[in-house]
Amino acid sequence: SQKIEQNSEALNIQEGKTATLTCNYTNYSPAYLQWYRQDPGRGPVFLLLIRENEKEKRKERLKVTFDTTLKQSLFHITASQPADSATYLCALLSGGYQKVTFGTGTKLKVIP
Amino acid sequence: DGGITQSPKYLFRKEGQNVTLSCEQNLNHDAMYWYRQDPGQGLRLIYYSQIVNDFQKGDIAEGYSVSREKKESFPLTVTSAQKNPTAFYLCASSMQGTERIQFFGPGTRLTVL
Repeated sequence: SQKIEQNSEALNIQEGKTATLTCNYTNYSPAYLQWYRQDPGRGPVFLLLIRENEKEKRKERLKVTFDTTLKQSLFHITASQPADSATYLCALLSGGYQKVTFGTGTKLKVIP
Repeated sequence: DGGITQSPKYLFRKEGQNVTLSCEQNLNHDAMYWYRQDPGQGLRLIYYSQIVNDFQKGDIAEGYSVSREKKESFPLTVTSAQKNPTAFYLCASSMQGTERIQFFGPGTRLTVL
């Protein structure tokens, strides 16, 4: 069966360090992988999209990698700040590019 | 300002009652989606619509119904057949095309007493 896995345990890191979040998937052949940020009690907000033929994508302090051989995406936040504390969700397109399937998310806490 | 609105933010209903959650968007997006979020389970797709007057079941459609009479609106009805309706409900929209970047509303937290 198709599965998207993210670390269910919360990730705590010290301010200024790089946070690395993992998204693994099985039985998908996604053309695109998306990352979203969700704050408590609010809807997710889109951050980055990476295509299958792209190895890496950057936006300010954010970096996403996409390894279709390992079936894994890594999401990095450099120089992390307490304001980066949130839950981060990865998502894949499926169903003929009509449906987006989300992972369970990883909760990140940046400690001052 | 363009965006998606959901109302109400909090909703309480008695068991056995149907309830309709509102979702409106002014982004001129063709596609709209309803997700349910439970603690530790991420977002699960209930229904989605690619175009007016057409919609498809998602992964957990049982006990829910939708309509898409206008491009801007995609209301979700939680029926009494839904066994465990208490959850956080999120509406989203996207442009047509292959990337399907989701724009979410603020969500409605439904509690069934």
